[in-house]
Amino acid sequence: KAGVTQTPRYLIKTRGQQVTLSCSPISGHRSVSWYQQTPGQGLQFLFEYFSETQRNKGNFPGRFSGRQFSNSRSEMNVSTLELGDSALYLCASSTSGYEQYFGPGTRLTVT
Amino acid sequence: AQSVSQHNHHVILSEAASLELGCNYSYGGTVNLFWYVQYPGQHLQLLLKYFSGDPLVKGIKGFEAEFIKSKFSFNLRKPSVQWSDTAEYFCAVINWGKLQFGAGTQVVVTP
Repeated sequence: KAGVTQTPRYLIKTRGQQVTLSCSPISGHRSVSWYQQTPGQGLQFLFEYFSETQRNKGNFPGRFSGRQFSNSRSEMNVSTLELGDSALYLCASSTSGYEQYFGPGTRLTVT
Repeated sequence: AQSVSQHNHHVILSEAASLELGCNYSYGGTVNLFWYVQYPGQHLQLLLKYFSGDPLVKGIKGFEAEFIKSKFSFNLRKPSVQWSDTAEYFCAVINWGKLQFGAGTQVVVTP
């Protein structure tokens, strides 16, 4: 089976812009979770979607949002980018939300 | 709120040495625990998991972990490390699709 894929792999944006990141889960997986990884804060949970419904949400501001499509693909959007949003954004998929498999991530740099 | 703490942030050891990484969690209910590994330049990979049953679980690449409920611990072990085990190791607990990660332990294995 193909693994979790994320696009784009690298992104440079300017403060104030918005960005959309995409994640394609492993075939058959209905749960997609998003995480932010930074050197200072480590790995932090953003949100989880299961069958197009957000089931769980982390402690991030409303500028961070996501959605999941009927084919289980997911997108994450960050509006009004801030310098502190620079991070590696990881997507993980699983059949039910437990055993999660991670993609390579999208490296976002905000200048 | 649940949390995960990893005892060491940085470990340096020689090839063939034994490795043990500590992980403690705070969570009152049934726990599902994981160890993930992130090799340099690669994405997070699942090393092993504990859901229930035998508290000694075996994972990939010769790793094993022991769940000790009374100590709220889930320590990772490998009897003899190789240079290729150089990586960052993360302990995590899951709750409703949300992985709560520890801060990670950077392991460097010298030839």
